[in-house]
Amino acid sequence: DAGITQSPRHKVTETGTPVTLRCHQTENHRYMYWYRQDPGHGLRLIHYSYGVKDTDKGEVSDGYSVSRSKTEDFLLTLESATSSQTSVYFCAIRGGTQSNTEAFFGQGTRLTVV
Amino acid sequence: ILNVEQSPQSLHVQEGDSTNFTCSFPSSNFYALHWYRWETAKSPEALFVMTLNGDEKKKGRISATLNTKEGYSYLYIKGSQPEDSATYLCAAPGGTSYGKLTFGQGTILTVHP
Repeated sequence: DAGITQSPRHKVTETGTPVTLRCHQTENHRYMYWYRQDPGHGLRLIHYSYGVKDTDKGEVSDGYSVSRSKTEDFLLTLESATSSQTSVYFCAIRGGTQSNTEAFFGQGTRLTVV
Repeated sequence: ILNVEQSPQSLHVQEGDSTNFTCSFPSSNFYALHWYRWETAKSPEALFVMTLNGDEKKKGRISATLNTKEGYSYLYIKGSQPEDSATYLCAAPGGTSYGKLTFGQGTILTVHP
């Protein structure tokens, strides 16, 4: 199994509070991703990273920020959580420098904003 | 935004049936096409990564074909079994350094015994 760990696995938070989710990898893979899973939408990309301190937005980036200060960690922050951000969040990693490498996923983090 | 679309959204088949579904993607600036299988309460796992026009890949009863000129890929399952029930996702890389991996909305397959 690819070495990828998400923390926490479950979190309940109140509207308006900041929340940070962590993705940690031991594979030294270049690319890291944050997706959210919602019914009828599959996986939607929030942000991704293509190297240390190199990040870019995905299709649903509003309300989220990310940081990658070292290869192994990719943090997703909800600055001020809203109920619409209740979802299951998946981190993924992908190696190589070409487009033909597969992604490996973490176990997911279930976030509930009340 | 890279537009990756899958059809149908859901599919119900009987055990033993063969089935197929489609992933369409922009044919310009093509890099690769990924297929993933996603079982309930688990994480997605890669089935295939395809790069060449006309490519065909196979894993057991599951196979996939790729047409980069017209921008589509088919996933086939021969003799479906209840354990094949899952969501099947396709994805295409793009963006900066081929890093952006955009998924389609998935096809939910249910195989009835």
